[in-house]
Amino acid sequence: EDQVTQSPEALRLQEGESSSLNCSYTVSGLRGLFWYRQDPGKGPEFLFTLYSAGEEKEKERLKATLTKKESFLHITAPKPEDSATYLCAVQGGSGAGSYQLTFGKGTKLSVIP
Amino acid sequence: DARVTQTPRHKVTEMGQEVTMRCQPILGHNTVFWYRQTMMQGLELLAYFRNRAPLDDSGMPKDRFSAEMPDATLATLKIQPSEPRDSAVYFCASGPWGRNTEAFFGQGTRLTVV
Repeated sequence: EDQVTQSPEALRLQEGESSSLNCSYTVSGLRGLFWYRQDPGKGPEFLFTLYSAGEEKEKERLKATLTKKESFLHITAPKPEDSATYLCAVQGGSGAGSYQLTFGKGTKLSVIP
Repeated sequence: DARVTQTPRHKVTEMGQEVTMRCQPILGHNTVFWYRQTMMQGLELLAYFRNRAPLDDSGMPKDRFSAEMPDATLATLKIQPSEPRDSAVYFCASGPWGRNTEAFFGQGTRLTVV
């Protein structure tokens, strides 16, 4: 069974204070690792997909990296508008049943002005 | 601006009543997911479809939940009878079929069963 663990559960940062969110996973045959952002009362918004260890992707102040056991979401010089819950998900296995996403419980990020 | 549309956005119902939630996936996406989100459990997969055929519904309580895709533009999730423990936000997501399916989520239906 695929498992995803995110840490910390909550993170408070001062505006401009860089940090990283962690996503540890166990999966049978990783097909993809996904990062989403979720604002209160909204659905998760897709950010990145990573496919193999060593891969990195960037979008504005966010950079996602992937190893064989975990992924990091680095936030550089965050702004208050980066406040949200960040969700990590994995897609694994093979065959027709492998296209589901298994999500972690998320990290709630608060950026204080 | 392509997006997944869910209706209703909010639903309050009494225990024992039937609840139907609807989802219009993004045009051209042939994989549709239903997720449930609670504070305790986070996002849990209930069911998903490919080309309108159910591929996995093992996350659903079969005695009360059912999911269907009558056509490519409509997916439904029905609960009958509803119970207070079903209170949650239900999300529909869609994605293109391929090696890796990125899922795009709707805004969700917040269900409260009293």
